[in-house]
Amino acid sequence: GAVVSQHPSRVICKSGTSVKIECRSLDFQATTMFWYRQFPKQSLMLMATSNEGSKATYEQGVEKDKFLINHASLTLSTLTVTSAHPEDSSFYICSAAGGGASTDTQYFGPGTRLTVL
Amino acid sequence: SQQGEEDPQALSIQEGENATMNCSYKTSINNLQWYRQNSGRGLVHLILIRSNEREKHSGRLRVTLDTSKKSSSLLITASRAADTASYFCATGRSSGSRLTFGEGTQLTVNP
Repeated sequence: GAVVSQHPSRVICKSGTSVKIECRSLDFQATTMFWYRQFPKQSLMLMATSNEGSKATYEQGVEKDKFLINHASLTLSTLTVTSAHPEDSSFYICSAAGGGASTDTQYFGPGTRLTVL
Repeated sequence: SQQGEEDPQALSIQEGENATMNCSYKTSINNLQWYRQNSGRGLVHLILIRSNEREKHSGRLRVTLDTSKKSSSLLITASRAADTASYFCATGRSSGSRLTFGEGTQLTVNP
């Protein structure tokens, strides 16, 4: 149980285009979903926290207009990277909380590798 | 900001040996969690320990928590090549709050 999927797993796009990444909790309803960014050989950097039906809370330094987050249901959150540039290339990982024995445990998706040319 | 610091940054051992990784944090916490990440993949939850707990076991994993020293350790016994991965600690300051991740320990288990 507590499985989170992420789609796509890998995307290559041209500079200036927008990319949407989906995060789904497959077998539980997620009260909260989180979006992280990870650079090679580094730890996870929290970008934003989202609750179903409300606006996402962004971390300091993360551009809200650049990284649009929509949490339409208890099982789906999307991250849209708008007008992507090469510096946005990174590994993006989502997580969901609310499944399993503890609401404090986050269950992670497999990640999306974004490459902007 | 990342409040966790992990030690060592990298650890290389032989199969069958035990691996110990440490995590220190700076603020009071409600819970501390350990996650594993294989290269290029998502994170897998290993163990959650609450601030009122001192030790927890799960299979070959043992986690200790010392809130007076603001530190935790993860012990993997009888390591296997498949345990090769990065291990992260993460702290939650209150129940249901965001997690703050440490910098991680890269464990390599040589067959």
